[in-house]
Parts: sequence; C-alpha cells; structure tokens
Amino acid sequence: KQEVTQIPAALSVPEGENLVLNCSFTDSAIYNLQWFRQDPGKGLTSLLLIQSSQREQTSGRLNASLDKSSGRSTLYIAASQPGDSATYLCAAHSGGGADGLTFGKGTHLIIQP
Amino acid sequence: NAGVTQTPKFRILKIGQSMTLQCAQDMNHNYMYWYRQDPGMGLKLIYYSVGAGITDKGEVPNGYNVSRSTTEDFPLRLELAAPSQTSVYFCASSPGTFQFFGPGTRLTVL
Repeated sequence: KQEVTQIPAALSVPEGENLVLNCSFTDSAIYNLQWFRQDPGKGLTSLLLIQSSQREQTSGRLNASLDKSSGRSTLYIAASQPGDSATYLCAAHSGGGADGLTFGKGTHLIIQP
Repeated sequence: NAGVTQTPKFRILKIGQSMTLQCAQDMNHNYMYWYRQDPGMGLKLIYYSVGAGITDKGEVPNGYNVSRSTTEDFPLRLELAAPSQTSVYFCASSPGTFQFFGPGTRLTVL
C-alpha cells in the first residue's frame, strides 16, 4: 500500500527566501506525482505534475523534482512571497492511471511579510 | 467551462439521516473521484469511476455508495449518517493525468 509523507508539517520563513518542501513515498511504481496548493477553506489547485519518466517540472517560481529510486520528490519555491502562504499537498498516482491519488498530510507554509 | 462543481457547499445532518452529494464536470473526463479530508490530514479516496456505468471502491468506502449513469455526473450517497462521516468531501475529474478538484462540501453529522 502506497504511503506518502511530507516534511516539514509546518514552515514559516521571511519573504524573499528560497525554500524546499519534501515528499517521500513508499512504492516507487508510481504513474505520476502531483503537487497541489490548498488555501484555508478552499479546494485544491494543481501546481505541477511529474510523469514517472520525468525528473522535474517547472512553472514560474516553482520547480518540482522526482527521484523514483529513492522515493522522493521536492517542491522548490524561489523568491517566496506572502501570497505563497498556503498548505502544499503532495500526491502519488499509482497503478495504471485509473486509481485515485494517495496524499500526504501537507506542509503548512507561512511567508512572513 | 465551469470545471468541477459540487453541491451543496455546506450541510448539517442528524445521525441516521441520508443525503446525496452532487458532483458534475463539463470537461468530458472519463475518470472521476470522491475524496474526504479530515482536519490536519491529507485526502483519502472513497470511490472512483473510469467511465459511465463503472465504479470501484477506494481506501475508505464503508458507509458510502456511488453511481455513474452519465459521463458528467458522479453523485455520492450517504445512507445512514454517522459522526465519523463529518468531513470535507472533494470530487475530482481527470482525463488521465492531472486531477481537477471541485470546491468541496463541508458536512457535519450531529
């Protein structure tokens, strides 16, 4: 059974810093891995998706990497802004693509102005 | 496109009552999913569907039922509500890669 762990559970940094959020998964036979953002009381917004054959994906100030052999993914946020404050969820998509996602518990990120 | 829509946004149920959470998508996606999110936890998969007429259980299906008569709609039924079903419920759809999520339904069972 796939298990996803996110470290740290919470993080508070000053505005402008670069930061890394970590995600680990127990079963390397994944179809893809997604990073989401969730604002308080809101739904999930998809940030980046990395296919199992890829090593990284970039979108603006966000860069996500994937190392299947070690069961790890990282989300790098450059030049953080107060608007980046949210909970970031990592989710592994196992099987042939039809099954649902296995989520971590998230990292609650606060960017101090 | 409206994307994934869910109704209602909020609901309070008494123990033993029944209700249906509605989910619809207008992106012609084959795959649809129901998740629940408890406070401080990640989402857990309840049921999923790979197309009209085909559904399957996820990690936490007990106490729930689903149907998929059309590509667009994927309702979730709670037959006998219990306090353990107090949660936020998210519906999602996918063409096979990205999953797109609805805004959620916050359900409280008292």
